[in-house]
Amino acid sequence: AQKVTQAQTEISVVEKEDVTLDCVYETRDTTYYLFWYKQPPSGELVFLIRRNSFDEQNEISGRYSWNFQKSTSSFNFTITASQVVDSAVYFCALSEYSGGGADGLTFGKGTHLIIQP
Amino acid sequence: NAGVTQTPKFQVLKTGQSMTLQCAQDMNHNSMYWYRQDPGMGLRLIYYSASEGTTDKGEVPNGYNVSRLNKREFSLRLESAAPSQTSVYFCASSEVLAGEETQYFGPGTRLLVL
Repeated sequence: AQKVTQAQTEISVVEKEDVTLDCVYETRDTTYYLFWYKQPPSGELVFLIRRNSFDEQNEISGRYSWNFQKSTSSFNFTITASQVVDSAVYFCALSEYSGGGADGLTFGKGTHLIIQP
Repeated sequence: NAGVTQTPKFQVLKTGQSMTLQCAQDMNHNSMYWYRQDPGMGLRLIYYSASEGTTDKGEVPNGYNVSRLNKREFSLRLESAAPSQTSVYFCASSEVLAGEETQYFGPGTRLLVL
């Protein structure tokens, strides 16, 4: 069965520091998808990124970057020059469906990121 | 385009009462989902509907029933609420882009069972 582990329950950093959120996954499928979602204090879930198992290229979007390494089954998320608005709970999720998502996502327990001014 | 909407936003029930959580999406998505979120547990899949007319159990289906009323609507029913069902419930729907699906979530329903 698939499993997603986010070992960091809570991280607190000072604004402008870089921070990395770890995600380790387990799956027996060769085709799978990995996701990151953000949940700000308001409670909604915001999609950040999807990555399929055949694409190990790192992704950068502004201050956000993702590092996917199949060799270590990890899909880590880095925020560069953090800002107070980045404070949220971040979830890593896995889907084993070849189309990504149709059978539902398996979520990690989330990492609560606190950015102090 | 409202995306995924859920009603109600908040509900208090007594043990044994029943209720239905409503979910609708206006994005013409085929697949819809119900998750529950508990403190420190992340989100767990309750039921999903891959297409209109089909439903399947997820990780934690006990105590719940679902109905895919049409392509837009997917409801979650608690027949006899228990305190263990106190949670935040999220509905989601998914779209396909370039052969890959992504789930978009509603704002959630906070349920308190006393």
